Amino acid sequence: KAGVTQTPRYLIKTRGQQVTLSCSPISGHRSVSWYQQTPGQGLQFLFEYFSETQRNKGNFPGRFSGRQFSNSRSEMNVSTLELGDSALYLCASSLSTALRTPSNQYFGPGTRLLVL
Amino acid sequence: DAKTTQPPSMDCAEGRAANLPCNHSTISGNEYVYWYRQIHSQGPQYIIHGLKNNETNEMASLIITEDRKSSTLILPHATLRDTAVYYCIVRVAKESGAGSYQLTFGKGTKLSVIP
Repeated sequence: KAGVTQTPRYLIKTRGQQVTLSCSPISGHRSVSWYQQTPGQGLQFLFEYFSETQRNKGNFPGRFSGRQFSNSRSEMNVSTLELGDSALYLCASSLSTALRTPSNQYFGPGTRLLVL
Repeated sequence: DAKTTQPPSMDCAEGRAANLPCNHSTISGNEYVYWYRQIHSQGPQYIIHGLKNNETNEMASLIITEDRKSSTLILPHATLRDTAVYYCIVRVAKESGAGSYQLTFGKGTKLSVIP
């Protein structure tokens, strides 16, 4: 079974621009979560989508947004980029059913964003 | 708020067992202990999880103390490929309610396996 894929893998943008990152979950997984990883703050949760609805959101400004499509693929968007948005953005997918113990999250390789 | 405490770094000789400790003294009865690792520049990888019994899989063993306030991840025969940052995470047993769908990562333990 193919793993979580993220595109693009590397991206360079300038301040003020916007960026869209894409994530394709493992086949059959309906939950997609996004995380930001920086050297200073570590791994931080951005938001989680399930069945095209945002179920949970971390403490990030409104410039960070996301969506999920009917095929469970997800995108996240960052508008008005700042230098501090330079980070590794990770996507994770899981089966996520309320009848089970927490589903294991399977991470993609990440998109490394550099804001100049 | 960190719910787990781990040593920042550890060394282990190749071929020996690596024992990574984690304190979670405020763990609730409905919270699991999860372990992930992150090899440099890759996404985190699930290793193992448990509630109160010891668990073993093809990657590692998880030993949870009887009071559940601490646990130890054991890599029985560490190899150079096990060099990574290891994260211990506590997580609610049922996926419901705000906050239960996310993983809260601390700073983890940087394990260096030495030849």
